[in-house]
Amino acid sequence: GQNIDQPTEMTATEGAIVQINCTYQTSGFNGLFWYQQHAGEAPTFLSYNVLDGLEEKGRFSSFLSRSKGYSYLLLKELQMKDSASYLCALVNNAGNMLTFGGGTRLMVKP
Amino acid sequence: KAGVTQTPRYLIKTRGQQVTLSCSPISGHRSVSWYQQTPGQGLQFLFEYFSETQRNKGNFPGRFSGRQFSNSRSEMNVSTLELGDSALYLCASSSMQETQYFGPGTRLLVL
Repeated sequence: GQNIDQPTEMTATEGAIVQINCTYQTSGFNGLFWYQQHAGEAPTFLSYNVLDGLEEKGRFSSFLSRSKGYSYLLLKELQMKDSASYLCALVNNAGNMLTFGGGTRLMVKP
Repeated sequence: KAGVTQTPRYLIKTRGQQVTLSCSPISGHRSVSWYQQTPGQGLQFLFEYFSETQRNKGNFPGRFSGRQFSNSRSEMNVSTLELGDSALYLCASSSMQETQYFGPGTRLLVL
């Protein structure tokens, strides 16, 4: 089976940087996704890590360490619209099933 | 390209009834996955279809079933509804082992 842990809630200030961690235990996976989900809306794709290292995309970066069972999502220059839940998910080796962590609800304050 | 569409968006049913939800994937995507999202359990995988075949199934009772048509559109059915089936049902489509893109979901309330 798989076990994926994320902090339940985080609070940060507009303009700041925040790091959302995701730790996991699994027997195997193809890659790790990060999705953003605003309240009442569908998850939207943010990033995908297959290899160890950092993937940067604008204000968002994601890091993966397979040996440590660890990933993080880094959000820079926080904006109020970044207030949302952030979901970490492992995709199986067949690439057809996502297993999600419980999600981290981020609140950005002025 | 149009995104993933799901119908209906909202649904109210009573215990014991059955429900059918529909999902139209992004054009060209042949894989359709279904997920259930609840406050208590989070996002959980139901099943995945590719070329009209179920390739993977999550840990849900047999009351939950699905199918996929030749045009890649998919439906899921829940029979004998229970209160605990109240949830947001999300459909996601993808191309071969690529990123899954989610539809807006169907919010089901069972009374």
